[in-house]
Amino acid sequence: GDSVTQMEGPVTLSEEAFLTINCTYTATGYPSLFWYVQYPGEGLQLLLKATKADDKGSNKGFEATYRKETTSFHLEKGSVQVSDSAVYFCALLSMGALTFGSGTRLQVQP
Amino acid sequence: EAQVTQNPRYLITVTGKKLTVTCSQNMNHEYMSWYRQDPGLGLRQIYYSMNVEVTDKGDVPEGYKVSRKEKRNFPLILESPSPNQTSLYFCASSFETPSYNEQFFGPGTRLTVL
Repeated sequence: GDSVTQMEGPVTLSEEAFLTINCTYTATGYPSLFWYVQYPGEGLQLLLKATKADDKGSNKGFEATYRKETTSFHLEKGSVQVSDSAVYFCALLSMGALTFGSGTRLQVQP
Repeated sequence: EAQVTQNPRYLITVTGKKLTVTCSQNMNHEYMSWYRQDPGLGLRQIYYSMNVEVTDKGDVPEGYKVSRKEKRNFPLILESPSPNQTSLYFCASSFETPSYNEQFFGPGTRLTVL
């Protein structure tokens, strides 16, 4: 079946540091890929998405590129802020169903 | 305000006592879905619905039922809850299948089954 693997957290960074959260997937066909963010006590919010190979999703300074050859969708941000502290979920959509990774907690210290 | 609402937000119950968690959206979305979130496992899809009277199993449907009699509502039913169903549950909706449309999540329902 489909699966998504994310790097384990927590990831702890200082403000203005560069962020990478790795995500790789296994799926049949050509899934769409997503990053969701969950702030403390809240539901998930869509951060960015890519629907085909080589697409780059971007939002709020975050970016991720759909790499079919490496089955990856790594999340990056050039300069993190304390307000970026949250749990980040990578997900894929195939045949109408969303499959999520286990989530990566990001802690940004001032 | 466009939103997905869930009720109750918190529930503590005992094994075997039937319960329903309601989910409602006011965005005229066709697609609705239920997830459970457990530590170290991320979100796992329980059931989803592409339209009224159309429901399908997700990854972990055992022990759950759903119905979609109206477009706006998608209740999650636990006929005989067990302690392994203690979890944080999220309802979500989108205009069509989530591939091209943002999926909106409700605030979550924290369920404890004793």
